[in-house]
Amino acid sequence: KAGVTQTPRYLIKTRGQQVTLSCSPISGHRSVSWYQQTPGQGLQFLFEYFSETQRNKGNFPGRFSGRQFSNSRSEMNVSTLELGDSALYLCASSLRQNTDTQYFGPGTRLTVL
Amino acid sequence: AQKVTQAQTEISVVEKEDVTLDCVYETRDTTYYLFWYKQPPSGELVFLIRRNSFDEQNEISGRYSWNFQKSTSSFNFTITASQVVDSAVYFCALGGPIYNQGGKLIFGQGTELSVKP
Repeated sequence: KAGVTQTPRYLIKTRGQQVTLSCSPISGHRSVSWYQQTPGQGLQFLFEYFSETQRNKGNFPGRFSGRQFSNSRSEMNVSTLELGDSALYLCASSLRQNTDTQYFGPGTRLTVL
Repeated sequence: AQKVTQAQTEISVVEKEDVTLDCVYETRDTTYYLFWYKQPPSGELVFLIRRNSFDEQNEISGRYSWNFQKSTSSFNFTITASQVVDSAVYFCALGGPIYNQGGKLIFGQGTELSVKP
C-alpha cells in the first residue's frame, strides 16, 4: 500500500506570496493532519480534517488555511508569506478521525526569501 | 495542558552500545496515547510504536524496547546493540483523550542520536 505523498517536495517563495501544498493520504484513510516543523519551535500541529470538515486547529494565524476533498486528499494554503514561515510542512493520515495512529509523509520543505 | 519533554537533545554512542532515550509527559486526560517516531535525514517521520494509557505492558521489537510507566509519566525507548542506521532524530509524542474526535499530537523537542562505527 502506498504511503502518504506530498507535493511539491521543495518550494522557494518570496515574502508576500502565497503557497499551496498538497497531501494524498494512504488509501482508505479519511483523516489528514498537518504539522509545521522548524528548528526553533519543533513540530507544531496546524489542523486536522476528516470528511472534508476541519476537526481541530492549532495556534496559527489565519494566514494558514486548509481544506479536504471528497477523496480525502488535502491542501494547505499559506497567504502573505513571511520569512518565519520557512519550515518543513508534514502531512499525516490516519484511518478514522478518532485518534488512530498517524502516518506521515516526506514533507514539503518551504523556503521563504 | 499537555506537554512532552525529551531532556536529551543529542546522544552520541559507538556502534553496538545500548542507548536509552527518555520521554516524560504531562497530561490531565485520563485516557491518552503515546508514540515514538523516527526522523532520518530524509525528513519523513517513521512510526515506531503506539501505547495507550490503559496498556502498561512493555514492548520489545527486535533491538527496540519501550518502557511505559504511568506512575512516573515516562515512556522511555531503548535501542540494544545500536547500529549506524539507527542514527536519526527520535520524537516522543502525546495525544488524547483517546475517545476525542481530534487527532492532535504534542511532540517533544526530539533527541538526535548519532551512532558512530
